[in-house]
Amino acid sequence: DAGITQSPRYKITETGRQVTLMCHQTWSHSYMFWYRQDLGHGLRLIYYSAAADITDKGEVPDGYVVSRSKTENFPLTLESATRSQTSVYFCASSGIQGANEQYFGPGTRLTVT
Amino acid sequence: GQSLEQPSEVTAVEGAIVQINCTYQTSGFYGLSWYQQHDGGAPTFLSYNALDGLEETGRFSSFLSRSDSYGYLLLQELQMKDSASYFCAVRDQDTGFQKLVFGTGTRLLVSP
Repeated sequence: DAGITQSPRYKITETGRQVTLMCHQTWSHSYMFWYRQDLGHGLRLIYYSAAADITDKGEVPDGYVVSRSKTENFPLTLESATRSQTSVYFCASSGIQGANEQYFGPGTRLTVT
Repeated sequence: GQSLEQPSEVTAVEGAIVQINCTYQTSGFYGLSWYQQHDGGAPTFLSYNALDGLEETGRFSSFLSRSDSYGYLLLQELQMKDSASYFCAVRDQDTGFQKLVFGTGTRLLVSP
C-alpha cells in the first residue's frame, strides 16, 4: 500500500532549466494538490485538480504547469526554473471527505542554483 | 480574501495540556482543519470542524466557534513526540470549495 509518493525526493537544477516533479497516488482519490512550503509562508497552494483533465490555479501558480491525464498522477512542471522557486514541494490528495482531509506525499526538496 | 492567525511558537512540558489558537477571517466559511508536521516530514491530517463545538480524537481535541471565527487545537498528556508544527487551515467561498488556505503554523516545543 504505497499511498502517495513523490519523485525525486531531492533535486538540484540550474536557473532556466525545465523541471518536472512527479506525484502518484494509489487510492484513486479524485482531488490532488500541489503546495510549496517556504519559511514564514506556511503551505501555499500552487495548483489543484478535481479529476482527470480538470485543473485549477491556486494561490501561487505563476511559473508552474500541471497536467492530469490519469487519476493517479499529477505532475508539476517548472517551465524555466528561477531561484525563487527553491522550496519544498508537497503533493496531496483527498477523497470523498473533500479538501479538508488531505493526505500528503513525503515532499520534494528543490534547489535552483 | 482570507487570513488566519496562530501563535508562532508554544512551549510546554511533558504531561501538560496545551492549546493552540487559530483565528480566521473568511467569507462563506466551509470548515477548519488541523494538520501536524514534524521537522523534515510531511503534514498529516489531525481533525476537521465544520460545526461549532468540540471534536475529540484520543489525546487531541479541536474546537470551533463560527460566531467568533475562532478555533483551537487542544493537546493533552503531552509527549515528546508531540513536538512539531501545527497548522490550521480553512476553506471558504473566496478560495473555492476544494481549496485549503493554511496558516503559517505554530511550533510546539515539548520539554521533559
